[in-house]
Amino acid sequence: KAGVTQTPRYLIKTRGQQVTLSCSPISGHRSVSWYQQTPGQGLQFLFEYFSETQRNKGNFPGRFSGRQFSNSRSEMNVSTLELGDSALYLCASSRSGGSNTGELFFGEGSRLTVL
Amino acid sequence: AQSVTQPDIHITVSEGASLELRCNYSYGATPYLFWYVQSPGQGLQLLLKYFSGDTLVQGIKGFEAEFKRSQSSFNLRKPSVHWSDAAEYFCAVGHTGGFKTIFGAGTRLFVKA
Repeated sequence: KAGVTQTPRYLIKTRGQQVTLSCSPISGHRSVSWYQQTPGQGLQFLFEYFSETQRNKGNFPGRFSGRQFSNSRSEMNVSTLELGDSALYLCASSRSGGSNTGELFFGEGSRLTVL
Repeated sequence: AQSVTQPDIHITVSEGASLELRCNYSYGATPYLFWYVQSPGQGLQLLLKYFSGDTLVQGIKGFEAEFKRSQSSFNLRKPSVHWSDAAEYFCAVGHTGGFKTIFGAGTRLFVKA
């Protein structure tokens, strides 16, 4: 069974640009969560999607957005990039809904560097 | 609001020694508790989880954790540490539904020969 796949793994952008990151969850998982990981702030929750609906959102500015498609694949977008957006962006999928356990399965992340 | 505190930013133990990583949580209901491990450049992997029942839970790689409701703690233990256990460990609290699982700041484990 394939794991969570994130693309691209590494990318470099300059301030003011925008970026789109992609996440393919484990087959059958309908929930996708996104986290930002930085050395200073640790793992910060961005948002969570289930059946194409955003169910929860962390405390990030509106420059951070996401969506989920009917096949459960998800994308997140960051517009007007700032130096502080440099981070590892982690996607996690979960068997959400019904008797869900809450266990998250993580991808290896997309490392974004903003110059 | 739910929160997780890992008091130790980093810990160094000798190979073969025992290990205990501390975790305290704040949650308004019965929590779902997790420990994850992250090796450098990798995503997080689940070590173990507690939902209900026996308060001592066993996980992968020889790890165990004990849920103590009275102390709001979920400490991770291992009787004998191996060099390959060097990594960062995250405690997390969540609930059914899988959304907005909150992570602690992490504890980095160093293992010395």
